[in-house]
Amino acid sequence: EDKVVQSPLSLVVHEGDTVTLNCSYEVTNFRSLLWYKQEKKAPTFLFMLTSSGIEKKSGRLSSILDKKELFSILNITATQTGDSAVYLCAVEAPNYGGSQGNLIFGKGTKLSVKP
Amino acid sequence: KAGVTQTPRYLIKTRGQQVTLSCSPISGHRSVSWYQQTPGQGLQFLFEYFSETQRNKGNFPGRFSGRQFSNSRSEMNVSTLELGDSALYLCASSPRLAGGSETQYFGPGTRLLVL
Repeated sequence: EDKVVQSPLSLVVHEGDTVTLNCSYEVTNFRSLLWYKQEKKAPTFLFMLTSSGIEKKSGRLSSILDKKELFSILNITATQTGDSAVYLCAVEAPNYGGSQGNLIFGKGTKLSVKP
Repeated sequence: KAGVTQTPRYLIKTRGQQVTLSCSPISGHRSVSWYQQTPGQGLQFLFEYFSETQRNKGNFPGRFSGRQFSNSRSEMNVSTLELGDSALYLCASSPRLAGGSETQYFGPGTRLLVL
């Protein structure tokens, strides 16, 4: 069965700390891995990763994918209270060729950043 | 561009009733996917529609159904509601321009409470 596992499930840090969130997966027909940030509303897109070893960066956030070891990490440096959210990892694994939409989500990592 | 919109935002129903949720994708987006989010199971894929056709389906009972109209707007229907159907229902749209990976953009969700 396809699955996506995130760790840790929750994390409490102080402003200025650096955090690393983990996502491992076992899926057939892998197409891409996505990271989302969810506060009290809809998930908002952070990164899409399709190739191994290429770091994607946006401000203090960065992410990398390892397709050989089947995992990805999301790094947040110099954390701020506004980074408090649930971070979701999802793997796109279409049921059949050409179809898109089947995102398999992990349970998320709840990050709390204290002042 | 306006984002993905979902109506209604909140809904309270009783067991045995049915409910219809609506989703309007980002203008120009042709693919609409639906997800159920609960504290216990996280985000789970329900189905994907593209060009008025269901292209992909998750592991949910037949009580969950949907459709897509020619303007790409989509509706999701749940019949014979059960307490366990209480959840946040999220809709996501993507352009679906080619067979490659594309980001999905989420709407704010409809929070359904079944009493």
